[in-house]
Amino acid sequence: GENVEQHPSTLSVQEGDSAVIKCTYSDSASNYFPWYKQELGKGPQLIIDIRSNVGEKKDQRIAVTLNKTAKHFSLHITETQPEDSAVYFCADSTSGTYKYIFGTGTRLKVLA
Amino acid sequence: SAVISQKPSRDICQRGTSLTIQCQVDSQVTMMFWYRQQPGQSLTLIATANQGSEATYESGFVIDKFPISRPNLTFSTLTVSNMSPEDSSIYLCSVVFEGGFNEQFFGPGTRLTVL
Repeated sequence: GENVEQHPSTLSVQEGDSAVIKCTYSDSASNYFPWYKQELGKGPQLIIDIRSNVGEKKDQRIAVTLNKTAKHFSLHITETQPEDSAVYFCADSTSGTYKYIFGTGTRLKVLA
Repeated sequence: SAVISQKPSRDICQRGTSLTIQCQVDSQVTMMFWYRQQPGQSLTLIATANQGSEATYESGFVIDKFPISRPNLTFSTLTVSNMSPEDSSIYLCSVVFEGGFNEQFFGPGTRLTVL
């Protein structure tokens, strides 16, 4: 990938509400899209990923959707909890290169 | 699950000195990378650590400033040389495990402050 835009930069939601973070990529050759959660003082943790041959993937309260035509992919967190508060990064990559281009990050705050 | 460790976890250094950061994995990996994360910023790839040969550096990063070694499949070091306050960052190693697709897993990071 060459450029990944991520929005919003900060997001505050009430506990129990949903949160959506969106990323846009520019390289049409990108085919792998991971999402990372980074808590304060820790390294990024891979929470979910999607490959370009599927449009949606779900794992309990988190899901990722991919629109290849529009070059958008989004992270959806439902029933948010205070422990979901962290910085979330999207990235894109092309298989075989292993090189990631990261988005600018979204600071999510879940208010109890 | 596999463990990725980094040493030191944090350090405070004087300008002009050098610091070597270690990354150790307890499983076989195919790829190892080093990233920099400046305060409040995203992650920027410094280089790919190649086993037994010179690392592959990204644009803007040079071997003289960030020498990297990878003597075997599970261990790598990154040195930050001749440090200045602008080098204050979190330095992270990441790996792709053997048999993995493209997933990168990160170590806990080394928080460096240069005075």
